[in-house]
Amino acid sequence: GAVVSQHPSWVICKSGTSVKIECRSLDFQATTMFWYRQFPKQSLMLMATSNEGSKATYEQGVEKDKFLINHASLTLSTLTVTSAHPEDSSFYICSASSNRGRAKDTQYFGPGTRLTVL
Amino acid sequence: AQSVAQPEDQVNVAEGNPLTVKCTYSVSGNPYLFWYVQYPNRGLQFLLKYITGDNLVKGSYGFEAEFNKSQTSFHLKKPSALVSDSALYFCAVSLPRGGNNRLAFGKGNQVVVIP
Repeated sequence: GAVVSQHPSWVICKSGTSVKIECRSLDFQATTMFWYRQFPKQSLMLMATSNEGSKATYEQGVEKDKFLINHASLTLSTLTVTSAHPEDSSFYICSASSNRGRAKDTQYFGPGTRLTVL
Repeated sequence: AQSVAQPEDQVNVAEGNPLTVKCTYSVSGNPYLFWYVQYPNRGLQFLLKYITGDNLVKGSYGFEAEFNKSQTSFHLKKPSALVSDSALYFCAVSLPRGGNNRLAFGKGNQVVVIP
C-alpha cells in the first residue's frame, strides 16, 4: 500500500502557542489530503479537505483561522493549530489520496499526532 | 447524504474462530466501500475496498468482505481470528467519485480476540 507519515507523533505545548503538524505522502503524489480529529473511543471527525495548490475546504463548525491548512506540494500538507488551548488537545490524523496510481480512489492514513495543550 | 452503520459496539471471538464485523450503508448511487483497522494510538490501516466487480473482496492479513447491494451491507470477515486481530475496525463509504471525496465512517467496532 501507499505510505503516509506524520510529524511529530506527539507534542505537548503551552496554552496560547501554535503547533504545526506535517503530513507527507512518501511514495505517491497526493492530489488530495484530509485532516481528521479523533476523540477517545470515537470515530474520526473530518476537519478539512485540501487539494494541492488550492485553499482547503473546511467542514462546518471548524474554525479555519484556528486550524490553518497548507497543501503546497503533492507530497506535503501541514496543519497549524494557532493559539492552542486545552480543548484543542486531541489525536489528529491526516490521510492522502490521489487521482491516479497506487492511491487512486483510496485514502491512506498517517500514524497520527497526539496533541496535549497544558 | 451517505451514512454508515456498525451496529455492534464490541465483537468478542475466540482465537481460531471465524470473525465477522458488520457494516451497512446508506448512499445514493453506487458506493465505494472500505474497511480500515486502527491499533491503539495509531492511524488507520487500509484493509480492503470495493469499487466494482466481484462482490467478494480479499484484503490484507487474511480479511475479506462481501458487498451485498440488496442488503446494502459490506461485512468484514476472517475465517480464523488471531489475538493480534484485536483492534478497532472502521467501515467507510464514499460517493462514486471515490476516495478523493469525503469518507463517511461508521462509529467503529472494537474486536477482542480471546486466547
